Amino acid sequence: QVQLVESGGGLVKPGGSLRLSCAASGFIFSDYYMTWIRQAPGKGLQWLSYISSSGSTILYADSVKGRFTISRDNAKNSLFLQMNSLRAEDTAVYYCARGLNGYYNYWGQGTFVTVSS
Amino acid sequence: DIQMTQSPSTLSASVGERVTITCRASESISRWLAWYQQKPGKAPKLLIYKASTLESGVPSRFSGSGSGTDFTLTISSLQPDDFATYYCQQYDSFPRTFGGGTKVEIK
Repeated sequence: QVQLVESGGGLVKPGGSLRLSCAASGFIFSDYYMTWIRQAPGKGLQWLSYISSSGSTILYADSVKGRFTISRDNAKNSLFLQMNSLRAEDTAVYYCARGLNGYYNYWGQGTFVTVSS
Repeated sequence: DIQMTQSPSTLSASVGERVTITCRASESISRWLAWYQQKPGKAPKLLIYKASTLESGVPSRFSGSGSGTDFTLTISSLQPDDFATYYCQQYDSFPRTFGGGTKVEIK
């Protein structure tokens, strides 16, 4: 069965960096585009970034462009999100999701990132 | 960016009631709309895509309709397991955007 497992969240100071990982299993990872989506405490869902199946096309939300970098390793069935220059407003649960024609039919359980001094 | 507006933000209903949630897009998105259900502490779960297509395994009491800018999610007979927050999402263009959510509470 399809599984997405995020890791790498934690407490980081403002201005710091964190690298999130998403381990995929149960499907041919290299066949699917992937996405990161976050949810601040008590708030709604925010799309952050997209990477095509080959990694050749990458898109970002304006709020994270220039600070976050999405990447993938198809040989290791893994998705990554490098987050730099973190701010308090980046505090959220971060989900990786498998996309299908624009919507998301599989989500990980999420990893929590807290940005605080 | 396409703005997605959901209403109401909170809805109180009883088991067995018919519930309707509305989602409005700031510009036409054809039928490129999905609905998700989220329970506290859990990831969202896909319910409906392409405005009205039920995801496999989702109970038939859920239905979606609409096109262009106005969409609805209907639960024909609310069940105890349906108390949750519901989000719409457009996938007509990037950045993908979500509605603010509708929390369905027990009356």
